[in-house]
Amino acid sequence: DAGVTQSPTHLIKTRGQQVTLRCSPKSGHDTVSWYQQALGQGPQFIFQYYEEEERQRGNFPDRFSGHQFPNYSSELNVNALLLGDSALYLCASSLRGYHEQYFGPGTRLTVT
Amino acid sequence: GNSVTQMEGPVTLSEEAFLTINCTYTATGYPSLFWYVQYPGEGLQLLLKATKADDKGSNKGFEATYRKETTSFHLEKGSVQVSDSAVYFCALSFSGGSGNTGKLIFGQGTTLQVKP
Repeated sequence: DAGVTQSPTHLIKTRGQQVTLRCSPKSGHDTVSWYQQALGQGPQFIFQYYEEEERQRGNFPDRFSGHQFPNYSSELNVNALLLGDSALYLCASSLRGYHEQYFGPGTRLTVT
Repeated sequence: GNSVTQMEGPVTLSEEAFLTINCTYTATGYPSLFWYVQYPGEGLQLLLKATKADDKGSNKGFEATYRKETTSFHLEKGSVQVSDSAVYFCALSFSGGSGNTGKLIFGQGTTLQVKP
């Protein structure tokens, strides 16, 4: 049973560029959440997708957007990258209505 | 608002020592509580959980009890191993009903270093 997968593993971008990160949920899960983890900090909730719609959003600007596909996989897009966007981006999947979220290994984004 | 506070690290212990990592929370309502562990270079793994007051979560020798009266969920292990060295995160979430999505609110993490 494949767990949550994310791609790419690492990414280096320049300020002002745009980036797309991808996530495939654990088999049987229908809900995907995205978190940003700055170095030395706990993960911060960005948003959650269910039934291809954004259901809840954390305190992140509109530069952060996402999408969920019919197969439940998801993308996180960040526009106009800032140096402060450098972080580990974690995807978590769950089954709607259940507490447990399973995390992927993350994508390390470095903005220079 | 809802928040989680953990004891600051790093916590450095010798192998077979007793471990306690403190976690307290502030929440409107009755959240579920979790401990996640993050090994170097990896994502987060769920270690244990408790969904209501007085519940005890346990896994791999780790335990934590949901204390509503003290709003705490301290992590304990009787005898740590070098392989337990990692960052530990306490977190809370609310159930998926009434518009709650189950988003996790994390503490800042506590680094545990276990020396042989």
